[in-house]
Amino acid sequence: DAKTTQPPSMDCAEGRAANLPCNHSTISGNEYVYWYRQIHSQGPQYIIHGLKNNETNEMASLIITEDRKSSTLILPHATLRDTAVYYCIRLNFGNEKLTFGTGTRLTIIP
Amino acid sequence: GAGVSQSPRYKVAKRGQDVALRCDPISGHVSLFWYQQALGQGPEFLTYFQNEAQLDKSGLPSDRFFAERPEGSVSTLKIQRTQQEDSAVFLCASRLGAGADGELFFGEGSRLTVL
Repeated sequence: DAKTTQPPSMDCAEGRAANLPCNHSTISGNEYVYWYRQIHSQGPQYIIHGLKNNETNEMASLIITEDRKSSTLILPHATLRDTAVYYCIRLNFGNEKLTFGTGTRLTIIP
Repeated sequence: GAGVSQSPRYKVAKRGQDVALRCDPISGHVSLFWYQQALGQGPEFLTYFQNEAQLDKSGLPSDRFFAERPEGSVSTLKIQRTQQEDSAVFLCASRLGAGADGELFFGEGSRLTVL
């Protein structure tokens, strides 16, 4: 079972950077780290993914520690629309399905 | 739109009824997934198709659940003799390629309530 550990909930002030941690201490070399989020009553939405290097796109940045045992998703300037449940997922190349945990419920405070 | 489309969005069934949930993936997407999401939980994998081939159905909770994708595009999830514990949101997702890498696009889900 490809588990990750995330805090159940976090708050962040609007306009500040939201830093969401994820622990994946047993990750193996062929597993990617994926982040999805789910806004209330919608399907999950892809945010970003990475293997070893840090990644950045228009939505977020992903910082992966050198030993790959943990990572942090950064939303640089959080808005109220970023309020959602954020899922950190390990994905093995030989196993196409995403295995979701319970995620972190991020609330952006006005 | 060009996203994953699911219907119906909401379905209320009496216990014992059969239901069918439809998924229209993004055109040309090879991979298609079904997930079940109970209230307050993360989505749980049900089954996976690559084109018309059902390669993984390990998540289907019982033989009352059946999925098909006969022509490699539209998929239907069928639940026979529904029970109250089947109440959940059923999510469909598609991916362009057959491999594990790449973004999964989700539909908005079909919310099933079994009375």
